[in-house]
Amino acid sequence: AQSVTQLGSHVSVSEGALVLLRCNYSSSVPPYLFWYVQYPNQGLQLLLKYTSAATLVKGINGFEAEFKKSETSFHLTKPSAHMSDAAEYFCAVSGTGTYKYIFGTGTRLKVLA
Amino acid sequence: GAGVSQTPSNKVTEKGKYVELRCDPISGHTALYWYRQSLGQGPEFLIYFQGTGAADDSGLPNDRFFAVRPEGSVSTLKIQRTERGDSAVYLCARWTGLETQYFGPGTRLLVL
Repeated sequence: AQSVTQLGSHVSVSEGALVLLRCNYSSSVPPYLFWYVQYPNQGLQLLLKYTSAATLVKGINGFEAEFKKSETSFHLTKPSAHMSDAAEYFCAVSGTGTYKYIFGTGTRLKVLA
Repeated sequence: GAGVSQTPSNKVTEKGKYVELRCDPISGHTALYWYRQSLGQGPEFLIYFQGTGAADDSGLPNDRFFAVRPEGSVSTLKIQRTERGDSAVYLCARWTGLETQYFGPGTRLLVL
């Protein structure tokens, strides 16, 4: 079985500060891991994905994430927050077979001026 | 965009009514997924189509929910005898065959 835990349902950072959103996963098979962003009243937009290649993955809008198997983590970071980063972020895991996603409960990021 | 359109964007209905939600992916993708996102939650898997057939419907909550994809492209999610607890955003995603799903904007269903 697979599961995802996102620690912190709400995170606030100052503009220009480091963004760190946490994601831990559980999977009995080698996982595929994803981060999606959701702006108000919009669908999910892919930020980045891990598919067993490089463990440090770079995505759009300056975000990156590092796959750490020993810690079963896939935390999302961005060196400098921008006001436009305010949104909800979801971590997801899938495996082979049906490739259906298991999502975390999301983290709402607030960026303070 | 993500290459997936969903209609209607919003649907308000009364308890007990029947609703249909439509998903239209750009052509060339054999796999299609439906998810449900309740308020304050992450999306939850409902059903997965490979071509015209439902390859995995283990996420459908009960027999009031049904989905079809008769020609392997457009899919319709059907909900009978709607209940207030069915209120959610229903998301559709196409699968590129490279692990990644691309999501449509969703249909916001409100059952009064």
